[in-house]
Parts: sequence; C-alpha cells; structure tokens
Amino acid sequence: EVQLVESGGGLIQPGESLRLSCAASGITVSSDYMSWVRQAPGKGLEWVSTLYAGGDTYYADSVKGRFTISRDNPKNTLFLQMNSLRVEDTAFYYCARDRMGVAGRAYYFDRWGQGTLVTVSS
Amino acid sequence: SYQLTQDPAVSVALGQTVRITCQGDGLRSYYASWYQQKSGQAPILVIYARDNRPSGIPDRFSGSSSGDTASLTITGAQAEDEADYYCNSRDISGNRLFGGGTKLTVL
Repeated sequence: EVQLVESGGGLIQPGESLRLSCAASGITVSSDYMSWVRQAPGKGLEWVSTLYAGGDTYYADSVKGRFTISRDNPKNTLFLQMNSLRVEDTAFYYCARDRMGVAGRAYYFDRWGQGTLVTVSS
Repeated sequence: SYQLTQDPAVSVALGQTVRITCQGDGLRSYYASWYQQKSGQAPILVIYARDNRPSGIPDRFSGSSSGDTASLTITGAQAEDEADYYCNSRDISGNRLFGGGTKLTVL
C-alpha cells in the first residue's frame, strides 16, 4: 500500500524558513516524479514544485528562488525547503506522486498525502 | 504558461447526469486529469490521461476532451459525489497547473 506522510508544518513568522518532509512507503521517491501541491484555506489547489527521477526540478513562479525541492534516497523521503516565507504562503502542503503517461502527453498525481499546514503570520 | 478555466459551481439533481468542463489552450497538447476533493480531505484522482479511471473509482465517472476543452461527466450522480472537482495538466515548460475548481452540489 502506498503511503505519503507529510510533516514539518507549523506557525512561523514572515521571512523565516521551514522544511517540510514527506516520508514515502510503497513507492520509491528516487524512481518516481514527486511533487508538492498547496492549498490556501478555502482556496483551490496550486502546484508548487516537481522533482523528476533524473533530478530535474520545476517550480511555480510564486515560489521560484525561495523554495527548494529535494529528496533523501536512503530515507525514501521528499523535502521542501521554504525560505523567505510570506503570509501568502499560508496553506496546506500536500506531497504527491506525479506520473507520466501516453508518450509524455499525460501528467497526473495518483497518490496524495494528507497534508501539513503551514501558517505564516506575525 | 496558460490557464485552466472551470465554472466555479455546478448543481445536479440526484441520479441525473452532470458535466464539468475545463478549458485551456494547453489541453490541445496535454491531456487533463481530474481530482475530487471532499471537505477536509486530500484530493483523490478520479480520471487521468483524458478518459482513464483509477482502480476503485466508480464507472459513473468518465472523461473526454475536444479541442481545448476537457470534460468530467458523472452519469447518475450520487449524494457522495458532492465535492470540489479540479482539472490539472502541464505546460510546455514542464510546469503543472490546476483549474480553479468546480463546486458540485447534488440536489
């Protein structure tokens, strides 16, 4: 059974840093595409970042230069390092497995964690 | 990058058929996927690669596309289908994107 368990969320002040973790079981994070998706309270889903198995990384413009996605292969864990946090980064952060199919024409998130809440407030 | 546009809210009578649409230029190149999110829960995948259902998703859920528009159809909507639905795809730069979501009410 696939499980993705996020941790590391909490209350933090603007300008500070936080690192989120996503512990995976039933999948191998180094062999899959892995992503972070966030959702501000009462708002829609927003893609944050993707890490390809080969190491390529992608970021939404809203977090580029501030957030870094990475993984620890032996621990089978995905991370999101978040620096220079802003009030507008307040959201539930979900870890998700990102799949590709149909000769690169289909991309979708087939497994999701339960999320961790990050609140940025003074 | 382009945007994915969804109607904010749709309603359907119990047992009837409803279609939720997602429009975006990039859907001419990349297939859409669809997610159901119930209040207080994480999203779940209900349709991927335009018209494929993951294991465990009822066959009343189906997907289709035409041109720049993808559709999620629920045939015979049930009370438990009341949720927010999001479409998702990617752009040519590798970025993923979501539609704004459609709140489905089952009357």
